[in-house]
Amino acid sequence: DAKTTQPTSMDCAEGRAANLPCNHSTISGNEYVYWYRQIHSQGPQYIIHGLKNNETNEMASLIITEDRKSSTLILPHATLRDTAVYYCIVRGGWSNTGKLIFGQGTTLQVKP
Amino acid sequence: KAGVTQTPRYLIKTRGQQVTLSCSPISGHRSVSWYQQTPGQGLQFLFEYFSETQRNKGNFPGRFSGRQFSNSRSEMNVSTLELGDSALYLCASSQGGPTYEQYFGPGTRLTVT
Repeated sequence: DAKTTQPTSMDCAEGRAANLPCNHSTISGNEYVYWYRQIHSQGPQYIIHGLKNNETNEMASLIITEDRKSSTLILPHATLRDTAVYYCIVRGGWSNTGKLIFGQGTTLQVKP
Repeated sequence: KAGVTQTPRYLIKTRGQQVTLSCSPISGHRSVSWYQQTPGQGLQFLFEYFSETQRNKGNFPGRFSGRQFSNSRSEMNVSTLELGDSALYLCASSQGGPTYEQYFGPGTRLTVT
């Protein structure tokens, strides 16, 4: 079973920031938080990951709470092309190499 | 750098047949993982290969198998196809460590009739 909980769906206005929350209250000390997204019928796309510090790349920012029990993915200026299912995944340890456990994710609808 | 490629992109098979899907990872990546995606079950992990050895396995019947070649290319095979095997099959490659990100291919859409 997935170790994360995400809202089923969210809407965001084009040009505004999209903030996607994720709860992972049972995360272990050596586990990272990963975010992927999947645009309809395409392969999932890696977005960002982090351990405990906030992370930023050209696509998004990841904010992880100090207790690491939750995180937020931020798309700073959402576009229509950001409409997708976003998956928050907790992963770590050599016993789970190569294995991503996907939950149901959050369907983000960016509206004009 | 070229991305992950999968062939074929679409496939139609009949119940009882077998099928082989192919995945070419990103150059330099030694780990290949396979996933099945269906509307009912979502994305599920099948197995992972690293340096020609299966390193991790999901909860799928033995009809699902795979292998990896010395050039890291991987194939997965499904024997005795069932209607429920209709799905999008995705492969992902990574450098192989427990925290390296995975990069997915476009998938193979398998339809079993």
